[in-house]
Amino acid sequence: QKEVEQDPGPLSVPEGAIVSLNCTYSNSAFQYFMWYRQYSRKGPELLMYTYSSGNKEDGRFTAQVDKSSKYISLFIRDSQPSDSATYLCAMSSGTSYDKVIFGPGTSLSVIP
Amino acid sequence: NAGVTQTPKFQVLKTGQSMTLQCAQDMNHNSMYWYRQDPGMGLRLIYYSASEGTTDKGEVPNGYNVSRLNKREFSLRLESAAPSQTSVYFCASSPPAGGTGELFFGEGSRLTVL
Repeated sequence: QKEVEQDPGPLSVPEGAIVSLNCTYSNSAFQYFMWYRQYSRKGPELLMYTYSSGNKEDGRFTAQVDKSSKYISLFIRDSQPSDSATYLCAMSSGTSYDKVIFGPGTSLSVIP
Repeated sequence: NAGVTQTPKFQVLKTGQSMTLQCAQDMNHNSMYWYRQDPGMGLRLIYYSASEGTTDKGEVPNGYNVSRLNKREFSLRLESAAPSQTSVYFCASSPPAGGTGELFFGEGSRLTVL
């Protein structure tokens, strides 16, 4: 079993839809949970950052962490064509520089 | 702000050739990283440098060497390139807390080894 699993997609939705992106993980030591957005031929950029369980909202984006189920989600409300990108989940125990594990990414297309 | 700058952006090598990827950051970050990204594999850590003067192996270090030249610069060297090293390479840096996953990435260097 991979340490972090993520639906690869691709996911295609109409503009204005609510998008749900998900990751599961196996290492209970993870405490920091991130979502990165990566546009085509660009580097990943940090989109959301949460510590431990709970929800965090930033504009149209909401990140949820359920440590008991080892499951994290990113919700995008009122999706826009500019949201078309690959979304990478990442997680870390915070105890070692090398222990940031990335999921393989989900490709999202928002169709106007 | 430039953030993290990588050069070159594209490179084609023949098997056995050597090359160095350069990375510089202007955010005064202590920690710097080199990742490779392959389809379906996600980002995998090659080497990292927690601070100036230190370097450590990541998940996939074989075939690579690194140099932390100063606080700003961290280079990745392929001594004898192999087709398996065809990939997109990303340099990243992180704020002083380190290890929590807040990474700032460059735009990538696309390497093809024939």
